[in-house]
Amino acid sequence: AQRVTQPEKLLSVFKGAPVELKCNYSYSGSPELFWYVQYSRQRLQLLLRHISRESIKGFTADLNKGETSFHLKKPFAQEEDSAMYYCALSGGGYQKVTFGTGTKLQVIP
Amino acid sequence: NAGVTQTPKFQVLKTGQSMTLQCAQDMNHNSMYWYRQDPGMGLRLIYYSASEGTTDKGEVPNGYNVSRLNKREFSLRLESAAPSQTSVYFCASRPGGLGDYEQYFGPGTRLTVT
Repeated sequence: AQRVTQPEKLLSVFKGAPVELKCNYSYSGSPELFWYVQYSRQRLQLLLRHISRESIKGFTADLNKGETSFHLKKPFAQEEDSAMYYCALSGGGYQKVTFGTGTKLQVIP
Repeated sequence: NAGVTQTPKFQVLKTGQSMTLQCAQDMNHNSMYWYRQDPGMGLRLIYYSASEGTTDKGEVPNGYNVSRLNKREFSLRLESAAPSQTSVYFCASRPGGLGDYEQYFGPGTRLTVT
């Protein structure tokens, strides 16, 4: 079974403060992990994926297999980062994709 | 390319009525998905289709049926709608196969069952 846990429903930070959105997963094989973002009244879109190790809009995420975590980080929050963030897991060659419950990030001006 | 399209955008049903949510993609993707999004519950997978001709249950399949009509289209049917099925429904597609392919989402269908 594959499971994704996002413990925080809401995270409020001030503009310019660091952000860390937590994601823990449960999967017996080698997972493919993603972060998706949903801005107000828009469809979900990919933010980043762990294999490419890219940085998008200043966000990074490192896969920690020992802690089974894939936390999303940004050093300085911007108001435009306010959105709903979802962590997602795909199990290897299987096509099932499981999402966490999401964290709403609120950046206070 | 239109990407992933969903119809209708909004729908109100009475308890016991049936309806079909339509989804189509023009990216030649193999895999397609139906999710429901509820406050505090995030996105929950209802059904998915790894490839044309196959469908599999997700986390919350009860009360729903799906049809992968062809490679482009994946429909979700509510046979007898219940208030608990009030939600926003998202369709998504993905290239499929091995690899960390992203999912592409539709705009969503907001369904209210009274």
